[in-house]
Amino acid sequence: QQQVKQSPQSLIVQKGGISIINCAYENTAFDYFPWYQQFPGKGPALLIAIRPDVSEKKEGRFTISFNKSAKQFSLHIMDSQPGDSATYFCAASMKAGGTSYGKLTFGQGTILTVHP
Amino acid sequence: NAGVTQTPKFRVLKTGQSMTLLCAQDMNHEYMYWYRQDPGMGLRLIHYSVGEGTTAKGEVPDGYNVSRLKKQNFLLGLESAAPSQTSVYFCASSYQGGTREAFFGQGTRLTVV
Repeated sequence: QQQVKQSPQSLIVQKGGISIINCAYENTAFDYFPWYQQFPGKGPALLIAIRPDVSEKKEGRFTISFNKSAKQFSLHIMDSQPGDSATYFCAASMKAGGTSYGKLTFGQGTILTVHP
Repeated sequence: NAGVTQTPKFRVLKTGQSMTLLCAQDMNHEYMYWYRQDPGMGLRLIHYSVGEGTTAKGEVPDGYNVSRLKKQNFLLGLESAAPSQTSVYFCASSYQGGTREAFFGQGTRLTVV
């Protein structure tokens, strides 16, 4: 059972455009929503994360929008660059120190290609 | 500043063979994890450990065993490899508290023929 659903599976954007990746979750106990970026041959690395007490978080060209009532969150990459070409994973976890112990539930991943 | 190191990086096994994947972290993290990554399925948790000498099952534990005899090391074993275990395996670690950021190794690509 996939508790975090991610779309689209792949995305092609022109340089300078906006990339948008969407995720939806089912478990309302999730309270931490990170996005990971993975380049070919490398492990995932944390890009940006949000907690449900805020609706938006921005770090440079990357923004997470969070809709708690709809149980959805999305990643927006402004002014997309060829160097942003990678696989992006959304994820969710429950409170650390409780029963989750930081375990992450990942979405299926989105392969982003930014054409120059 | 090594972070999380996985050994080996690539391996080909025949069906029925056994092997152990080694993960080592130098960040003094309490929590360690093993995930497998398959196309279209994201990363799925196999087993995890919340401290030295402890292990627990994740989402897809069948066919795998783990051990954490030392805080910095987390071993993943396949006793009798099957083609369904062909995957890329990632080890990760994180702090007990704080930001909850997970730090991943570079992965082990395993092919079972």
